[in-house]
Amino acid sequence: EADIYQTPRYLVIGTGKKITLECSQTMGHDKMYWYQQDPGMELHLIHYSYGVNSTEKGDLSSESTVSRIRTEHFPLTLESARPSHTSQYLCASSLGQGLDEQFFGPGTRLTVL
Amino acid sequence: QQQVKQSPQSLIVQKGGISIINCAYENTAFDYFPWYQQFPGKGPALLIAIRPDVSEKKEGRFTISFNKSAKQFSLHIMDSQPGDSATYFCAASNDSGAGSYQLTFGKGTKLSVIP
Repeated sequence: EADIYQTPRYLVIGTGKKITLECSQTMGHDKMYWYQQDPGMELHLIHYSYGVNSTEKGDLSSESTVSRIRTEHFPLTLESARPSHTSQYLCASSLGQGLDEQFFGPGTRLTVL
Repeated sequence: QQQVKQSPQSLIVQKGGISIINCAYENTAFDYFPWYQQFPGKGPALLIAIRPDVSEKKEGRFTISFNKSAKQFSLHIMDSQPGDSATYFCAASNDSGAGSYQLTFGKGTKLSVIP
């Protein structure tokens, strides 16, 4: 089982709140990713990182931001949550050596009221 | 525009039967095709993957068939078991520069294997 953790697992908050979704991995992987997954839909890449101090935007536009200050930690922040942000957010990591396997965390299911 | 089209959306198979999930892609630059398995409440996990230089890859009961000219690939689950009940995602990727390989996922197939 992959050593990648996400907290919280479930979050219900009101509109306008600032939230941070945590993601940590203990595998020493260089690359980390955030995906958004709506029920019955595919995963969409919203952010990724090649390593410390590296962050890039993914294919799906997102109002969230990320940071990568430590190799093992890749938090995602929403400054002002809205109902349109309601979704499941999945964090993943990989060694970063070409076509390597991505290991996924269990996800955070976010509901914004 | 979805670059990886997956079908069917849901599939019910009798225990012991063969489950077949199909995917089609448009981007001829894709050169890596993994399948991920996701159980409820869990993140996806890599099941099996193939490169386009081979037409088939088998790992236990799971086989990927790849047709480069048709731009299609499929997952076959032989002797399907109730424990195989999960959502399956096909994906595709290619080098988008600087050694960066981004996965494009299909919409997923919910497989139910009934006893």
